Amino acid sequence: GQQLNQSPQSMFIQEGEDVSMNCTSSSIFNTWLWYKQDPGEGPVLLIALYKAGELTSNGRLTAQFGITRKDSFLNISASIPSDVGIYFCAGHLLIIQGAQKLVFGQGTRLTINP
Amino acid sequence: ETGVTQTPRHLVMGMTNKKSLKCEQHLGHNAMYWYKQSAKKPLELMFVYNFKEQTENNSVPSRFSPECPNSSHLFLHLHTLQPEDSALYLCASSLREAGANVLTFGAGSRLTVL
Repeated sequence: GQQLNQSPQSMFIQEGEDVSMNCTSSSIFNTWLWYKQDPGEGPVLLIALYKAGELTSNGRLTAQFGITRKDSFLNISASIPSDVGIYFCAGHLLIIQGAQKLVFGQGTRLTINP
Repeated sequence: ETGVTQTPRHLVMGMTNKKSLKCEQHLGHNAMYWYKQSAKKPLELMFVYNFKEQTENNSVPSRFSPECPNSSHLFLHLHTLQPEDSALYLCASSLREAGANVLTFGAGSRLTVL
């Protein structure tokens, strides 16, 4: 159905390594959003993608809206300790008559070993 | 400071108690949301208010009762909860006229039901 499959569910990396995570779906999305949630806090928007094929960067973060509109990836380069947290993808599905539904992935938990 | 403020940040209550969660936004947004976040589960949308009118109720049990007196304030009234209702409750707001409905989240209220 409209479920987003986010992978991996968790990552354990060394500081300085690059990180890659992605979300896929069988449905077509109008937008893709990537959020990060620090422990004890709410999710904070990192990057928003509005067009198929769009590649957007925010500092060490890069995200792309897949050409098929069914997937998106987020890359983090040269990871640092403050990158620790849970990363969520989210996508807007166009339902009917302009109504949209926001669907969230299950999250990727990033742990960094110093 | 995300612009969306939730109180209390932590709440412990018995199954017979009545308590309320409060959310306030000063972003000029016109839609407000309640989400439930349980461990190892995707974010679960509970309620949506658009211009103070409830537009979505995702089959939430009646022991959760939302209230939206104006577009800046949202409450979640809790009564006779169950231990499985223990979770992080996240409030969010957005500007629905925008091309993409980007949510801004609060820090959440961590609820423990004994």
